[in-house]
Amino acid sequence: RKEVEQDPGPFNVPEGATVAFNCTYSNSASQSFFWYRQDCRKEPKLLMSVYSSGNEDGRFTAQLNRASQYISLLIRDSKLSDSATYLCVVNTDKLIFGTGTRLQVFP
Amino acid sequence: GAGVSQTPSNKVTEKGKYVELRCDPISGHTALYWYRQSLGQGPEFLIYFQGTGAADDSGLPNDRFFAVRPEGSVSTLKIQRTERGDSAVYLCASSLIGTGNEQFFGPGTRLTVL
Repeated sequence: RKEVEQDPGPFNVPEGATVAFNCTYSNSASQSFFWYRQDCRKEPKLLMSVYSSGNEDGRFTAQLNRASQYISLLIRDSKLSDSATYLCVVNTDKLIFGTGTRLQVFP
Repeated sequence: GAGVSQTPSNKVTEKGKYVELRCDPISGHTALYWYRQSLGQGPEFLIYFQGTGAADDSGLPNDRFFAVRPEGSVSTLKIQRTERGDSAVYLCASSLIGTGNEQFFGPGTRLTVL
């Protein structure tokens, strides 16, 4: 079983839609959690950290459920510029990346 | 300010050759990381430096891979006797202190082994 599992997608959604990505992790001792965004043929960039209390940054909301070892990312009012791969990342003294979920927003 | 830089951006080599990939981290960042990303996969951890020393090299796939950071700044990833399976994008990242801080990635070196 992979340490971090994500649905690879692609998720094809129209502009303005709400889309949710999920991720599960296997190591219960994981310390911190992140979502990174990676554009095609570019490097990953931190989108947001994920906290147990849930956190929001504009149109993006991240949630962590430690009991279920589950992380989510919600994107509201999708924009064309949101098209990218979203990587779920778990810190276990080193960053462990999921395979990423590809999002394509169409007009 | 300048971000993480990596050279070369692309490297094509023949099976069995030796290659060196360079990473120049953000000034002042003591932690430096190397990752490898294959097509359709997320980055895979290779090695983590804290200052000049390798704090965790558990991700290096075998003894053909070696990395150094002699002065605590620039790092070089060295691959001996390259194999076709080594073809991937090699990403370097740096962070202010350690693994709990945000990591900033360089643009990567795309290595192709023919």
